[in-house]
Amino acid sequence: EVQLVESGGGLIQPGGSLRLSCAASGFTVSSEYMSWVRQAPGKGLEWVSVIYRGGNKYYADSVWGRFTISRDGSKNTMYLQMNSLRVEDTAVYYCVGVDYGENLFDPWGQGTLVTVSS
Amino acid sequence: NFMLTQPHSVSESPGKTVTISCTRSSGSIANNFVQWYQQRPGRAPTAVMYEDNQRPSGVPDRFSGSIDSSSNSASLTISGLKTEDEADYYCQSYRVFGGGTKLTVL
Repeated sequence: EVQLVESGGGLIQPGGSLRLSCAASGFTVSSEYMSWVRQAPGKGLEWVSVIYRGGNKYYADSVWGRFTISRDGSKNTMYLQMNSLRVEDTAVYYCVGVDYGENLFDPWGQGTLVTVSS
Repeated sequence: NFMLTQPHSVSESPGKTVTISCTRSSGSIANNFVQWYQQRPGRAPTAVMYEDNQRPSGVPDRFSGSIDSSSNSASLTISGLKTEDEADYYCQSYRVFGGGTKLTVL
């Protein structure tokens, strides 16, 4: 069974940093396209970033230059390093597998909540 | 970049049929496949349609999808509504998600 489990969320002050992790089982992170999608409280879904199987990385304009996506094949884990956090980054962050055309987002992790507040 | 616009909410009675629309703001709706996700409160989204009209394994055939180039939109149709279908539904194309539609089954 494919499972993605996020961790690392929490309460952080504006300007701070946080690193999210996504541990995969039944799924090889380095062989797939992997993405982060976030959802602010009571709001819709927003694509954040994607890392291709070959290592190319892409980011939404809203996080470009502040967030970095990466992975560790030996740990079968993907990461999202978030720096210079803003109040508007407050959201549940989902780790998601993506098909090679960046069409279907599946499977999804359960999400981890990041709250940016003073 | 383009946007996907969905109605904020729709409601219908059990046993009836409901259609949720998703309109692309620029570029053809056919340029990229459209997917649909169901999200129940406190849960992660799950796909109910992919590549415009393909149902993932386990999704009942009460769910169907289509695209319409004349209106530059996609639609998710749910027939034989059940109370368990009550949820938020999101369309998605490439890296863009619609704003979501709250389906209420009265």
